[in-house]
Amino acid sequence: EDQVTQSPEALRLQEGESSSLNCSYTVSGLRGLFWYRQDPGKGPEFLFTLYSAGEEKEKERLKATLTKKESFLHITAPKPEDSATYLCAAQGGSEKLVFGKGTKLTVNP
Amino acid sequence: NAGVTQTPKFRILKIGQSMTLQCAQDMNHNYMYWYRQDPGMGLKLIYYSVGAGITDKGEVPNGYNVSRSTTEDFPLRLELAAPSQTSVYFCASSYWAHGNTIYFGEGSWLTVV
Repeated sequence: EDQVTQSPEALRLQEGESSSLNCSYTVSGLRGLFWYRQDPGKGPEFLFTLYSAGEEKEKERLKATLTKKESFLHITAPKPEDSATYLCAAQGGSEKLVFGKGTKLTVNP
Repeated sequence: NAGVTQTPKFRILKIGQSMTLQCAQDMNHNYMYWYRQDPGMGLKLIYYSVGAGITDKGEVPNGYNVSRSTTEDFPLRLELAAPSQTSVYFCASSYWAHGNTIYFGEGSWLTVV
């Protein structure tokens, strides 16, 4: 069964304190690994798609990386506006997305 | 450009009642989806559609029905509501299959009492 596990469940950072979120996946025939941002009371917002091990993508203070078993979302010098829940999802051979439970990030000023 | 629009935003149902969650997209997307999100859990796929007239079950379809008569609309019907259907429901759409840049609606909060 395809599975996606995100850690930690919650993370508190001080403004400027860099860190990483982890997404471990077990899917057969990975077609894509996706990162979304979800603000309270809102729908998920697409951030990145990664397709193969070694691939990296960046957007402002965020960088996503992919290995054969994990993906990391690195947050460099975060700001309070980066506070949100970050969702990871994997697409396997069935084409359907399997979502992790998310990491709730809080950045304190 | 409105994107994906869901109505209602909030609804309280009594056990056994039925209702329809409406979803419309104006991006001419082929694929549309309904997910539910329970507290502390990942998004679960209820139903999806690859085009007008074509729908298929996702991971948790029991207690729900869908139809896709037009490209734009994808309503989700709850028959005989049960407390287990208390959740946040998200409609989404994409041009290609599933993962490719899915756009989500704002969500519909449903409570069954």
